[in-house]
Amino acid sequence: QSALTQPRSVSGSPGQSVAISCTGTSSDVGGYNYVSWYQQYPGKAPKLMIYDVSKRPSGVPDRFSGSKSGNTASLTISGLQAEDEADYYCCSYAGSYTLIFGAGTKLTVL
Amino acid sequence: EVQLVESGGGLVQPGGSLRLSCAASGFTFSTYWMSWVRQAPGKGLEWVANIKQDGSDKYYVDSVKGRFTISRDNAKNSLYLQMNSLRAEDTAVYYCARDSRYFQYWGQGTLVTVSS
Repeated sequence: QSALTQPRSVSGSPGQSVAISCTGTSSDVGGYNYVSWYQQYPGKAPKLMIYDVSKRPSGVPDRFSGSKSGNTASLTISGLQAEDEADYYCCSYAGSYTLIFGAGTKLTVL
Repeated sequence: EVQLVESGGGLVQPGGSLRLSCAASGFTFSTYWMSWVRQAPGKGLEWVANIKQDGSDKYYVDSVKGRFTISRDNAKNSLYLQMNSLRAEDTAVYYCARDSRYFQYWGQGTLVTVSS
C-alpha cells in the first residue's frame, strides 16, 4: 500500500497560517475518523499533535488544528512561530488493524 | 511519567537476524496495544506491526510479513520485535510506540543497519 500523499514542503512567515494536506483513499483517510498528525525535529522521535482527525492532546497549542473532507485530511497551523519549523506526518487507520503514514511535509518558517 | 526505551539495534548482515526490545514504564503496560514504527535514513515513518494487550492478535505491514514477529511479556513490561531474513531495505531507526490507532508515546528509537 502506498504512503498517503502530502506536499513535500510548505512555507510561511511568522504569524501566518499554513495548511498541510494528506490525501488517501476511501480505504483509509476517507473510511475512518482515525487520522493523526505528528511533528518531528531532526534526530528526534515524533510528537503527536492531532488525533482522531481534530482532537488535540493535552499540551499541544490550540494553534494546531485538524480537519477532514472526503479522502483528504488537513493540518492547519495558525500564528506560525519559528519553533514550528519541522517535518510533519499524517497517519491513518487503514482497516484490519493496520496503519499507513504520509510521506511527510517539511515546514519552513521564513 | 511514561517511558519507552528501545534496545537491541546494531549492524547485521543481509539474511541475518536481530531482536529488538522495548522496556515500558509509567503506565499499566498490559492494558495497551503496542506498536513498532520505523524510519529509514532520510525517509518517512512506516508502521511495522502492532500487538493486542494479551498478545493474542498481531498485525504487520506486508513488507515484513513472514520475516518479523512482534511479541510482548506483560510480566516484564516489555515489547519485542524478532527480525529474521533481514534486507538492506530494513535499515531504519525502529521506534516502540504505545497504542495502535495513534501514537501518543514513543521511545527514542534504536538503529538497525543491514549491510555486508
